[in-house]
Amino acid sequence: ELKVEQNPLFLSMQEGKNYTIYCNYSTTSDRLYWYRQDPGKSLESLFVLLSNGAVKQEGRLMASLDTKARLSTLHITAAVHDLSATYFCAVITYGGSQGNLIFGKGTKLSVKP
Amino acid sequence: GAVVSQHPSWVICKSGTSVKIECRSLDFQATTMFWYRQFPKQSLMLMATSNEGSKATYEQGVEKDKFLINHASLTLSTLTVTSAHPEDSSFYICSARYVAGNQPQHFGDGTRLSIL
Repeated sequence: ELKVEQNPLFLSMQEGKNYTIYCNYSTTSDRLYWYRQDPGKSLESLFVLLSNGAVKQEGRLMASLDTKARLSTLHITAAVHDLSATYFCAVITYGGSQGNLIFGKGTKLSVKP
Repeated sequence: GAVVSQHPSWVICKSGTSVKIECRSLDFQATTMFWYRQFPKQSLMLMATSNEGSKATYEQGVEKDKFLINHASLTLSTLTVTSAHPEDSSFYICSARYVAGNQPQHFGDGTRLSIL
C-alpha cells in the first residue's frame, strides 16, 4: 500500500525566511504532484515532477524529486504572507485504482509579518 | 484549458435529503473522473473512481449505496449522497482526467455539503 508522509504538518514562519517541506512516499512511483489549497477552496496545481532529479521553480517555490530516496521537497524562499495556505504532495499509484493520487496529510503554512 | 466545473459549490439541507453534485469537464473529454472527500483540516480521501459508461470503483469503506456515482457521458459525472445525515457533511471535490492514466487530474472547485 502506497503511503505518503509530509513533514511538517504545521509551519509558522516569518516573512523573508526560507524553509523546506518534505514529502516521503513508500513505494515506487514515477510522478509526484504538489498542490496548494486555500481555506474553503479546491486544489491549485503547483508542480508535477516526472523523473529523478527533476527540479521545478515558480516564483518563491521550488520543488525537487529524488525517486531513489522516494523524497520530494518544496522549498520556500523569502516567504511572503501570500504563500500562507495548505500544501499537499500527492503520488500516483497504479494499483487496482487506475492511476489514483494518494495525498499526504498536508502542511499548513502560516507566514507572519 | 482543462477546466472542471463543479456544482453546486455549497449545499445546506435537512437530514434525510438526497443531494446531487455535478462534475463537468468543460473543454475536454474525461474518460475518468474521481470523487474525493475532505474533512476539516484533513487531507483528501479518494471515495471512488468512475469511467464513462461503466460502474464506479469504490474505495474500501465507502458505501456504494450511500454515495451513488453516475458517469453517463465523457463530460459529466454525478455524485448523489442519498438520505444524507450530519456525518456526511464534508467538502467534496471531483477531478477529471482525459485519455490514459499518465495524464494529470484537473480538479473542480469543490462542494461544501452541510447536513442539519
